[in-house]
Amino acid sequence: DTAVSQTPKYLVTQMGNDKSIKCEQNLGHDTMYWYKQDSKKFLKIMFSYNNKELIINETVPNRFSPKSPDKAHLNLHINSLELGDSAVYFCASSQPGTSGSYEQYFGPGTRLTVT
Amino acid sequence: GNSVTQMEGPVTLSEEAFLTINCTYTATGYPSLFWYVQYPGEGLQLLLKATKADDKGSNKGFEATYRKETTSFHLEKGSVQVSDSAVYFCALSPYSGGYQKVTFGTGTKLQVIP
Repeated sequence: DTAVSQTPKYLVTQMGNDKSIKCEQNLGHDTMYWYKQDSKKFLKIMFSYNNKELIINETVPNRFSPKSPDKAHLNLHINSLELGDSAVYFCASSQPGTSGSYEQYFGPGTRLTVT
Repeated sequence: GNSVTQMEGPVTLSEEAFLTINCTYTATGYPSLFWYVQYPGEGLQLLLKATKADDKGSNKGFEATYRKETTSFHLEKGSVQVSDSAVYFCALSPYSGGYQKVTFGTGTKLQVIP
């Protein structure tokens, strides 16, 4: 069983288009995240939701809009795509451990290419 | 704010060589520390973790010890294999009752050649 799944795995689109990436986790976690990984493998957090509520919103263009219909799903919609949006987007989930640590479980990633 | 610094790669080793990837951190209090591994074309997966000072995390022959006095969490393996070729990320999770973000290092690419 896949713990954190994302669709699609690859997304190729043109500048100016609008696209969505979907994420689902079956781990029963309360917290979900979106990360962006650039070509140098640098990982940057974009958003985090806890029980459908936005709790972390980094400095991300407002063309990016997350949506959490329930605590098992966190989707990412991107309007007016730009060349600089090309990257791999990872969804992750976590549940705080007894020590308060937030061990992350990552999805396989969505490689977005904007032409 | 919190930060994680890890050695730049790529690190290239011959099979069966000893591996060390350095990681130091800056954080208040007592964060939890992690090493994640990313194999080509995949997402990150937890390799090992330590939640308090002097704890040693270990998995698949990899080890790291939480050293509060030197604020370090260096990753080591005694004998690397070609299959260990991947990108390794050091990370910290603040100890907090609230919801704070995990801070990742920039990643270190390891290449193991036969």
